[in-house]
Amino acid sequence: GDSVTQMEGPVTLSEEAFLTINCTYTATGYPSLFWYVQYPGEGLQLLLKATKADDKGSNKGFEATYRKETTSFHLEKGSVQVSDSAVYFCALSAGDKIIFGKGTRLHILP
Amino acid sequence: KAGVTQTPRYLIKTRGQQVTLSCSPISGHRSVSWYQQTPGQGLQFLFEYFSETQRNKGNFPGRFSGRQFSNSRSEMNVSTLELGDSALYLCASSLVFPGTVDSPLHFGNGTRLTVT
Repeated sequence: GDSVTQMEGPVTLSEEAFLTINCTYTATGYPSLFWYVQYPGEGLQLLLKATKADDKGSNKGFEATYRKETTSFHLEKGSVQVSDSAVYFCALSAGDKIIFGKGTRLHILP
Repeated sequence: KAGVTQTPRYLIKTRGQQVTLSCSPISGHRSVSWYQQTPGQGLQFLFEYFSETQRNKGNFPGRFSGRQFSNSRSEMNVSTLELGDSALYLCASSLVFPGTVDSPLHFGNGTRLTVT
């Protein structure tokens, strides 16, 4: 069945470091792909999305490119801030269901 | 526009009791999904309701149930609570189909349930 695998955390970086959180997926057909973020004490919120191969989603300095050939949707940011500390979830949408990865906790040190 | 509202924010119950959690979706959203979040299992899908009908269900025992009202508000109920039910329960609403590009999920801040 459809699934999402993302790198295990926690990931700890210093402020202004480059961030990559890996996400790969397995799906039949052509799913849409998402990154959601969960800040402490809050629910998840949509960070960015991509609907087809080679689409690049971007928001708040974060980017992810839909790579069909490698079935990946890695999240990147060029210079992280302390305020980016959160849990990040990769997800795919197929039909009427959405499937989430297990989440990657990110700690940014000042 | 008001976001997804979940009440209460925190609950403490003892084993064997039952609990009801409430979720008010964003106005105009007809789909409501429920998730259980724990450190060990991550985010697990419980069920999804659309127009008062359960449309999808996750792999949880029958102690977990839900319903949706005509105004799209939803409740979930857990009976005969177990220690393992301690978790953050998240509700999410969407326009029609949950999590599609045109109908992304909007989450509430969750209800933190502790079972002692």
